[in-house]
Amino acid sequence: AQSVTQLDSQVPVFEEAPVELRCNYSSSVSVYLFWYVQYPNQGLQLLLKYLSGSTLVKGINGFEAEFNKSQTSFHLRKPSVHISDTAEYFCAVSDPNQAGTALIFGKGTTLSVSS
Amino acid sequence: GAVVSQHPSRVICKSGTSVKIECRSLDFQATTMFWYRQFPKKSLMLMATSNEGSKATYEQGVEKDKFLINHASLTLSTLTVTSAHPEDSSFYICSAWVQGLYGDYGYTFGSGTRLTVV
Repeated sequence: AQSVTQLDSQVPVFEEAPVELRCNYSSSVSVYLFWYVQYPNQGLQLLLKYLSGSTLVKGINGFEAEFNKSQTSFHLRKPSVHISDTAEYFCAVSDPNQAGTALIFGKGTTLSVSS
Repeated sequence: GAVVSQHPSRVICKSGTSVKIECRSLDFQATTMFWYRQFPKKSLMLMATSNEGSKATYEQGVEKDKFLINHASLTLSTLTVTSAHPEDSSFYICSAWVQGLYGDYGYTFGSGTRLTVV
């Protein structure tokens, strides 16, 4: 079964600093990978996804992630964070060979941006 | 596009009563929908997968008789928490699988329902 590990439960950073949120997946087969953001008491908003093609994926709000098959990683990065980026971030995986099956989520990383 | 509307956003109910949560796909047909439960500071736990016109598939440990899921049409899925108790208090989120015209692939989420059982 596929699984996702988010290596950091909490990441505190100062405003305008770069940030990396780490995500590793465990699968020996092809995968689809996603990053979502969740603000308090809200649903999930898609930041970006990797289905195929270029391993560097650019998303909304200045975020990007790189798919690294050899390291089974899909780390999320932003060169300069804002206070408004404070939220919960979830990495998720699905199996492209089982279309329509549910996303499997990591435990989440709380990003706290302070001034 | 691919918007899922979830209602209500918040509900408080008395212990022993039932609560229904609705998720509607507004601009697409949702053949497959998922229901998640999220505890405070925790990840999303998949409760069940529902396919239009068939019985939902529940994850291990989820009580089918307590969490009734109905997916009677391509635009509506409902979760009914029956005989609710305080331990059912949680944040419930629905999600729909979206297969786009050009082979795009993704999932869209409702805005969630905060259920408080008193």
